[in-house]
Amino acid sequence: GESVGLHLPTLSVQEGDNSIINCAYSNSASDYFIWYKQESGKGPQFIIDIRSNMDKRQGQRVTVLLNKTVKHLSLQIAATQPGDSAVYFCAETANDKLIFGTGTRLQVFP
Amino acid sequence: DTEVTQTPKHLVMGMTNKKSLKCEQHMGHRAMYWYKQKAKKPPELMFVYSYEKLSINESVPSRFSPECPNSSLLNLHLHALQPEDSALYLCASSQVQGSYGYTFGSGTRLTVV
Repeated sequence: GESVGLHLPTLSVQEGDNSIINCAYSNSASDYFIWYKQESGKGPQFIIDIRSNMDKRQGQRVTVLLNKTVKHLSLQIAATQPGDSAVYFCAETANDKLIFGTGTRLQVFP
Repeated sequence: DTEVTQTPKHLVMGMTNKKSLKCEQHMGHRAMYWYKQKAKKPPELMFVYSYEKLSINESVPSRFSPECPNSSLLNLHLHALQPEDSALYLCASSQVQGSYGYTFGSGTRLTVV
């Protein structure tokens, strides 16, 4: 069946370091991918998105990479800050549905 | 206005109660969604409305009844829920179904006792 999964459930990084959060997806028909940040007690917050006709997109301190050959998506956060601590979800759009991956908790320590 | 507003933020209800969750957006989006999120799990799609019509029901039990009175409002009517239905219920909207730019509300934290 269709699924979006993550390799690491928890990622701990030191403040100032770069973070990389990975995601694998299984539906080759997916044409749009989004990374969300979710803090405790809040709804998912849009971070960055990418369409399937691209392989890289950059935002402020964040970069998303898409490798369609191996169905892999990653989120890179530069100079990670304590405020980046949250759960990060990748999501894909397939068959007019937005489906979420399992999530990675990012912990930032001083 | 670029927000999706959900009310109430918290709700405690008994298994025999009837309650409703409300969602509102004024971005002109024509697709609206209900998701259910259990603790430490990703949001799971429940319903999709497209142009005020139910487009997708992900085999949700009938004790959950969605309603879209107009293009800005989405309700979720709850009746005879079970304790395992306790979760964070999220509403989202997008310009059209399956399009780019999904916006999520902050959710309603539901506890069934």
